[in-house]
Amino acid sequence: DVKVTQSSRYLVKRTGEKVFLECVQDMDHENMFWYRQDPGLGLRLIYFSYDVKMKEKGDIPEGYSVSREKKERFSLILESASTNQTSMYLCASSGRGSGETQYFGPGTRLLVL
Amino acid sequence: AQSVTQPDIHITVSEGASLELRCNYSYGATPYLFWYVQSPGQGLQLLLKYFSGDTLVQGIKGFEAEFKRSQSSFNLRKPSVHWSDAAEYFCAVGARKNTNAGKSTFGDGTTLTVKP
Repeated sequence: DVKVTQSSRYLVKRTGEKVFLECVQDMDHENMFWYRQDPGLGLRLIYFSYDVKMKEKGDIPEGYSVSREKKERFSLILESASTNQTSMYLCASSGRGSGETQYFGPGTRLLVL
Repeated sequence: AQSVTQPDIHITVSEGASLELRCNYSYGATPYLFWYVQSPGQGLQLLLKYFSGDTLVQGIKGFEAEFKRSQSSFNLRKPSVHWSDAAEYFCAVGARKNTNAGKSTFGDGTTLTVKP
């Protein structure tokens, strides 16, 4: 059974803190994604990685960075958390080919105070 | 650039009634098309996808979708809704040729409420 896990389901952080969100997949997928989900705005792509150490900005990368040192792990970093980064964060992975299904983790709900 | 529109933000149907969720896409060629479902507090799960061939696609949980090229649509249907179908539904389009193959663009979602 395919699995994408995220390190935390809920997180509460203070403004200005550095925040790490971890995602691990066990499907040997080349592609990994970080999305942000807000009511009425759907899923917005923050960053995309198509291989180890390779990354590409998505639609809303400002205020975020990512790290992919191993194929199975993709980390999202909030360098200095702000209240407008309070959101649900979803990680996903997929194979490399066009039209591949994305497999999602359960999400991390982040509250920045 | 590809895009997806889900015109209905929220739909309410009675249990046992039929359901149709609308999805319109914009893409220069025949796209890959997906429907995902997100139950409360969960990540997204694939319901079905269209690659090519038969324009009527069967998915899990009794859902189906029909690709209509002339209307740039990929509407999701279910003949009889169950209370457990209450969730948020996302339509997505993926490019056939893309230097970053595997990326998809998602619609804003449609929230389905099921009345007893």
